[in-house]
Amino acid sequence: QKEVEQNSGPLSVPEGAIASLNCTYSDRGSQSFFWYRQYSGKSPELIMSIYSNGDKEDGRFTAQLNKASQYVSLLIRDSQPSDSATYLCAVELNRDDKIIFGKGTRLHILP
Amino acid sequence: EAQVTQNPRYLITVTGKKLTVTCSQNMNHEYMSWYRQDPGLGLRQIYYSMNVEVTDKGDVPEGYKVSRKEKRNFPLILESPSPNQTSLYFCASSHREGTEAFFGQGTRLTVV
Repeated sequence: QKEVEQNSGPLSVPEGAIASLNCTYSDRGSQSFFWYRQYSGKSPELIMSIYSNGDKEDGRFTAQLNKASQYVSLLIRDSQPSDSATYLCAVELNRDDKIIFGKGTRLHILP
Repeated sequence: EAQVTQNPRYLITVTGKKLTVTCSQNMNHEYMSWYRQDPGLGLRQIYYSMNVEVTDKGDVPEGYKVSRKEKRNFPLILESPSPNQTSLYFCASSHREGTEAFFGQGTRLTVV
């Protein structure tokens, strides 16, 4: 099993709808989780971090963490065309504190 | 403004010609790292540094060198570049290992 897995997409979502991005990880002891947004040819930009089970909301973004299921997700409400990007999930491995990035999910918001 | 600065942004070079990509951060971060990003392969770590004079190999270190003589700077050196090192490179820094990473603008390198 890969350490951090994401569906590569593309995920197409109509403007104004909720986009749901998912990520699973293999290290059961991981404690820190991050979501980055990356526009084509640009650098990754941190949008959310989450450390505890449950939901964390920041504006239109909500991160959800379920450590028992080893699953972290990102919800984007009221999706806008400017949300079209690749979203990278990153997980801190418990065994050595290294951060491992998933390969990313391409999100396309349809106007 | 807190930032990670990479230079150059774009570089075309020939096989075997030594090059250096510079990286500097102004956030007093201890941890710095270099990644390459290739289509379908995601971000792969090349080298990292946990502090001054402490560097270690990441997942794809072959063909690269780094140094960390000062806390703010972490240059990436390609002694003899080859075409398979054509890629998009990112420098990143973090307060410490395992915390939020801040990325530089990226360097698109083409080796012909």
